[in-house]
Amino acid sequence: ETGVTQSPTHLIKTRGQQVTLRCSSQSGHNTVSWYQQALGQGPQFIFQYYREEENGRGNFPPRFSGLQFPNYSSELNVNALELDDSALYLCASSSPEGQGALEQFFGPGTRLTVL
Amino acid sequence: SQELEQSPQSLIVQEGKNLTINCTSSKTLYGLYWYKQKYGEGLIFLMMLQKGGEEKSHEKITAKLDEKKQQSSLHITASQPSHAGIYLCGASLYNQGGKLIFGQGTELSVKP
Repeated sequence: ETGVTQSPTHLIKTRGQQVTLRCSSQSGHNTVSWYQQALGQGPQFIFQYYREEENGRGNFPPRFSGLQFPNYSSELNVNALELDDSALYLCASSSPEGQGALEQFFGPGTRLTVL
Repeated sequence: SQELEQSPQSLIVQEGKNLTINCTSSKTLYGLYWYKQKYGEGLIFLMMLQKGGEEKSHEKITAKLDEKKQQSSLHITASQPSHAGIYLCGASLYNQGGKLIFGQGTELSVKP
């Protein structure tokens, strides 16, 4: 069974640029969630995708957008980068089949630095 | 205000000692998750609790969820240097789908 993978590992951008981060979900999982984790903080929910549709969004501006593909992999796009976007970006995959709360498994993260 | 409070924020223990990390919510939780994170890396899933009064154990780590489903504790028995890292509690709330909210984390150091 393949775990959650993310690319790239690290990224350096300048203010105003655009960035795309990628996530491959765990085998058999059709739901992907993205989180932003600033230094010394817990992760903050950005949005979730289920079967290629956005299925919930946190308190992030529209310049944070996403996509999910038929193979359930996902992209996070951030436009007009700001210095405060510097963070570790985590994706988590889960499968909503069955009842109850979902077990969510996280990838290793992408460290984004905005200069 | 923080919806999920963790305490303590940091902890230094001698190897072999027991320790407890607490996680408290002002709202009734649907699911409570414990993760471990090494600095700058991804989150490693430890346990998920959903039923009031539920308790789960894995190796030397035990997690409990209170009957009201608003408080959880993570207990490590006979700590080892391999237990060092940041422990995060996360929670899902009713009617909020798969969104998880997280506490700020507890940084654990284990002195040999």
